[in-house]
Amino acid sequence: KNEVEQSPQNLTAQEGEFITINCSYSVGISALHWLQQHPGGGIVSLFMLSSGKKKHGRLIATINIQEKHSSLHITASHPRDSAVYICAVGGGSRLTFGEGTQLTVNP
Amino acid sequence: DAGVIQSPRHEVTEMGQEVTLRCKPISGHNSLFWYRQTMMRGLELLIYFNNNVPIDDSGMPEDRFSAKMPNASFSTLKIQPSEPRDSAVYFCASGSGGPPPDTQYFGPGTRLTVL
Repeated sequence: KNEVEQSPQNLTAQEGEFITINCSYSVGISALHWLQQHPGGGIVSLFMLSSGKKKHGRLIATINIQEKHSSLHITASHPRDSAVYICAVGGGSRLTFGEGTQLTVNP
Repeated sequence: DAGVIQSPRHEVTEMGQEVTLRCKPISGHNSLFWYRQTMMRGLELLIYFNNNVPIDDSGMPEDRFSAKMPNASFSTLKIQPSEPRDSAVYFCASGSGGPPPDTQYFGPGTRLTVL
């Protein structure tokens, strides 16, 4: 069993739909990160969470430390949200990455 | 700011050759990370520097890999000798605060192909 598991692996949505990507982890962590990797390969750090919820524009990230689970939500999805979303969990400097969720938003 | 700068963007080399990847972090950032991404293993942390000092190099695969950070504005990742299994995209990221930093800013990556 991987230390970090994401679901679903692939997700296709229609523009405007509400999207949820899940991340479960099995190790103790000090923080959880959500990253976005664009089709061209560039990686952008979206959120770092250690508790509760964070919101940035149409993106919302939540974490439940007791359940070792985090979700990334995208409201009013748009084709430009199409990317791979990667969950990473960390203790100190070491990050362990999930395999990513490939999101495709169709117009 | 130009963001994290990596060079070269693409590198094709033959097995056994020395490869040097370069990274210029964002000015003022005191943390620098080298990552490797492959289809099989996804993203992996190779090494983490804080204030130019290697803090965690447990992800460096083997003695063929070495990384240096001679000053706050430059780092190198060297592979000698290179092997086909080293083919991957190598990302450099930098951040401030912490350690470790809350947010890491990634460079565009160097796509390495070892024939």
